[in-house]
Amino acid sequence: GAGVSQTPSNKVTEKGKYVELRCDPISGHTALYWYRQSLGQGPEFLIYFQGTGAADDSGLPNDRFFAVRPEGSVSTLKIQRTERGDSAVYLCASSLTGLLAGGNEQFFGPGTRLTVL
Amino acid sequence: SQKIEQNSEALNIQEGKTATLTCNYTNYSPAYLQWYRQDPGRGPVFLLLIRENEKEKRKERLKVTFDTTLKQSLFHITASQPADSATYLCALFYNTDKLIFGTGTRLQVFP
Repeated sequence: GAGVSQTPSNKVTEKGKYVELRCDPISGHTALYWYRQSLGQGPEFLIYFQGTGAADDSGLPNDRFFAVRPEGSVSTLKIQRTERGDSAVYLCASSLTGLLAGGNEQFFGPGTRLTVL
Repeated sequence: SQKIEQNSEALNIQEGKTATLTCNYTNYSPAYLQWYRQDPGRGPVFLLLIRENEKEKRKERLKVTFDTTLKQSLFHITASQPADSATYLCALFYNTDKLIFGTGTRLQVFP
């Protein structure tokens, strides 16, 4: 596709349930980022993948959050035992290379709005 | 820890005027600073990047300045149009794997 896509666009779940959020980056982009954005706030970094490996997961809030990118393209963010405080928009971005390698411009998807009831 | 401040209040200006948005940071200066535009229900879109050793960058009606003494970047939109109405985010890069985003400032341009 032409841009970064994310599915679903909206997800409503109940407290305690498990959710998976999917990101399809731009083809050929080796770097992939997950962010979380709460209302009135800027995107907050969660995790960065370079290829298949998680190069930096320091932004994941706790061990209920996990992300994978098994083939170096599509990534899935997984949240176990969801809590109401997890409600936010989850954004995915990709870039040709990582920031340290000069990958300055990040291309964002439209986000998944997660609501935990 | 690093703190980034952008005006939380919306900026309302009249069409044709110049809009100026501010991004202030504490502690040490980033290697570079980026500005993004975000429309409701959409992801941010990259606009401009300015490096630590650059004073000013321009792109069409957009101008960004970077003052490491004041620890501030200013983002200007000249001849503003209603279509420029959006939230504008600054993001700082500190030679790590991640960008640190400000909270954003909502700009409203009215006819």
